Amino acid sequence: GAGVSQTPSNKVTEKGKYVELRCDPISGHTALYWYRQSLGQGPEFLIYFQGTGAADDSGLPNDRFFAVRPEGSVSTLKIQRTERGDSAVYLCASSFTGTSYNEQFFGPGTRLTVL
Amino acid sequence: EDKVVQSPLSLVVHEGDTVTLNCSYEVTNFRSLLWYKQEKKAPTFLFMLTSSGIEKKSGRLSSILDKKELSSILNITATQTGDSAIYLCAVEGETSGSRLTFGEGTQLTVNP
Repeated sequence: GAGVSQTPSNKVTEKGKYVELRCDPISGHTALYWYRQSLGQGPEFLIYFQGTGAADDSGLPNDRFFAVRPEGSVSTLKIQRTERGDSAVYLCASSFTGTSYNEQFFGPGTRLTVL
Repeated sequence: EDKVVQSPLSLVVHEGDTVTLNCSYEVTNFRSLLWYKQEKKAPTFLFMLTSSGIEKKSGRLSSILDKKELSSILNITATQTGDSAIYLCAVEGETSGSRLTFGEGTQLTVNP
């Protein structure tokens, strides 16, 4: 079946603008994760959804970052008042249940560039 | 705070060589260790190692977990140019929920 998809694949914006990044998980996966990967680094956890609710949002760097998953499927990561330091690849992953021993399947990511 | 350190950070070999990538970790109440291969953007799953499954093998790739030494190795035999990628190690702990903590990755380049 189809894997995790993310749109857009690339996003260039100006400092101070608002952006939305979309993630469409694998059908039937109840758990969804957002990670951020800076150049030369491994992915860094941002937030985890179990169904519609954010089960763990402790990785969000500040209140400019917010994510939703209103129907328990597609998720949107929203960044307000973007800063140059927000430039990174934003990866989304999903897993079947979100319990332990569930491998996470990653999407191709959105490369965000803040000028 | 969970922590993962990978070594080497980069490695250049010739086709046919065997490579060993290292991963050491600190995690509260270890649950699993995962290896991913990242070629373009999306990390693709390779192995999951747990207390009940400390050795995994798939073709030319194999991985071992050493819970005593808090480390894991990923071996690739008879390397091919298609093995060129970043190899990421990640851990999951009981107290960290379902989040994965990743290392910086090892950039492997296999030259013909």
